Amino acid sequence: GENVEQHPSTLSVQEGDSAVIKCTYSDSASNYFPWYKQELGKGPQLIIDIRSNVGEKKDQRIAVTLNKTAKHFSLHITETQPEDSAVYFCAASGRQDSSYKLIFGSGTRLLVRP
Amino acid sequence: EPEVTQTPSHQVTQMGQEVILRCVPISNHLYFYWYRQILGQKVEFLVSFYNNEISEKSEIFDDQFSVERPDGSNFTLKIRSTKLEDSAMYFCASTLGNTEAFFGQGTRLTVV
Repeated sequence: GENVEQHPSTLSVQEGDSAVIKCTYSDSASNYFPWYKQELGKGPQLIIDIRSNVGEKKDQRIAVTLNKTAKHFSLHITETQPEDSAVYFCAASGRQDSSYKLIFGSGTRLLVRP
Repeated sequence: EPEVTQTPSHQVTQMGQEVILRCVPISNHLYFYWYRQILGQKVEFLVSFYNNEISEKSEIFDDQFSVERPDGSNFTLKIRSTKLEDSAMYFCASTLGNTEAFFGQGTRLTVV
């Protein structure tokens, strides 16, 4: 079935350093790849997304890259700040029977040390 | 900013009891979803709902689960006879289409 693998499971970086989280997906029909940030006790919040017709997208300190051939996509956070500490989930989606369900990765707990 | 609202935020129930989790999706959205997150694990898809019917469901969504959109605004998830393993955070989400999914803050369900 559809699957999204995410690595690493935990990531600790010094404030100001960059953080990279990687995901791979199995369903070649997937065409939408969002990244969510989840803080303790809250629901996932979208931070950036990318569609399959684009290879890279950037929004200030956050960027996402997509390699459709290899079925890889990555989240890059530059100049990390303590408030970036959270759990990050990648996800993949594509239309199937009037559903745009998201298949999530297992999450990365990011800790930014001040 | 539009938001998805869920009630209650926390529900404690005895094993075997029925629970109903409630959600108010964003008003102009067309697709509605329930997801589940067991503590410390990933978010898992349960069911999607479009045009007043279930459009897709996962293996988790067995006969004990049902969803309903009883009026123009509410979207509910019912668990008929709760089990200990149903304890989790349940998130409602809505989308216009293959677009950003907005998630609610979740309902923490504890089955004792």
